[in-house]
Amino acid sequence: QVQLVQSGAEVKKPGASVKVSCKVSGYTFTNYYIHWVRQAPGQGLEWMGIINPSGGRASYAQKFQGRVTMTRDTSASTVHLELSSLRSEDTAMYYCTRAPAPIGPFDIWGQGTLVTVSS
Amino acid sequence: DTVMTQSPDSLAVSLGERATINCKSSQSILYSSDNKNYLAWYQQKPGQPPKLLISWASTRESGVPDRFSGSGSATDFTLTVNSLQAEDVAVYYCQQYYFTPHTFGQGTKLEIK
Repeated sequence: QVQLVQSGAEVKKPGASVKVSCKVSGYTFTNYYIHWVRQAPGQGLEWMGIINPSGGRASYAQKFQGRVTMTRDTSASTVHLELSSLRSEDTAMYYCTRAPAPIGPFDIWGQGTLVTVSS
Repeated sequence: DTVMTQSPDSLAVSLGERATINCKSSQSILYSSDNKNYLAWYQQKPGQPPKLLISWASTRESGVPDRFSGSGSATDFTLTVNSLQAEDVAVYYCQQYYFTPHTFGQGTKLEIK
């Protein structure tokens, strides 16, 4: 079945970087776009950006420009999210989710990766 | 950015009754070339990722009970849950996926009265 399986929880200090992975299975990796969405504790959902696994091109929300990088490894059917210059406000659950097109609904979600930023 | 505003923020409904959640977009998300509304509804239960319930404003996903329905167009949308069941307790989010960033509403917490 279709699955997006994310890497485990991370604890980072302010100013550090974190890299979260999302391994997909059950479908052709290059046929769906991957979005990243985060959710701070007790808060709503915030879209971070999108990557096209076929060509590797990514587009980011302006809020995260300069701090976020999305990459993909086609041989491993895996997408990565890297967020740098972490601050306490980046403490959140980070989700990968797929869509059939750049503008399409998010039909399958990963289980989430909790990133905690604390000194 | 396109602002999605849901109402109410929370809602308590008796088992078997109807729940109605509204979502308003700050700009039209009806795309004229295909006459589709780029609006989705998600359900999120505690400790779980969101689950897609409805896409294109009114298309129910496979496996979603038919007590869930979506309606509306352009800037005003509604999620209706008929005959509320205990397992429907969750937070519900609307999302527009036409404009970047793909923004979500703030969420509506649905509880049992």
